[in-house]
Amino acid sequence: DIQVTQSPSTLSASVGDRVTITCRASQNISPWLAWFQQKPGEAPKLLIYKASNLQSGVPSRFSGSGSGTEYTLTISSLQPDDFATYYCHQYRSYPYTFGQGTKLESK
Amino acid sequence: QVQLVESGGALVRPGGSLRLSCVVSGLTVREHYMAWIRQAPGKGLEWVSYIGRSGRTLYYADSVKGRFTISRDTARNSVYLQMNNLRPEDAAVYYCVARVPAPDYWGQGTLVTVSS
Repeated sequence: DIQVTQSPSTLSASVGDRVTITCRASQNISPWLAWFQQKPGEAPKLLIYKASNLQSGVPSRFSGSGSGTEYTLTISSLQPDDFATYYCHQYRSYPYTFGQGTKLESK
Repeated sequence: QVQLVESGGALVRPGGSLRLSCVVSGLTVREHYMAWIRQAPGKGLEWVSYIGRSGRTLYYADSVKGRFTISRDTARNSVYLQMNNLRPEDAAVYYCVARVPAPDYWGQGTLVTVSS
């Protein structure tokens, strides 16, 4: 099975900060990596698919990059609505797996 | 507007059974891969099962294989998850999702509690 490890598990930041979350896979998954945002009590929301493609309707301050085994989600200027938990997700091969999540908190 | 509405979650004893339903509008289930993903309280996300466009392509996580069955009713535009021999570790919010493997449509979730 492909393991995906996110870091950090918790991130404290302020409005306006540039924020980066990393996801590392145990083998090459290029480009089959997605990022989701989840707020308490809500279903996850797709932000990025195929590593760098912005889902329709998602603000352009979100971006994804990476290849091979290492990927990043960047928020260029953090907004109040962005405090949430973020998950990466590999869909290169079965079983599909999610990272353990990164909780983005207000500093 | 696409909507996925789950139902069927409940409190059940270990060894019991439940059938989850997902009624879909705004999207035709026979045209997309559909799936169930679960999230235990305070935990991360886990793929449970999916069903392909043909209805013949099925996937189950090892943790549920032999106990859970995914199905669909194209006339009702719905997807189901029959869960048998439930264990405490199956307790979670179960989400119905569309357009696997990077699902962009999710239901609101239905809570399954397994406890004696």
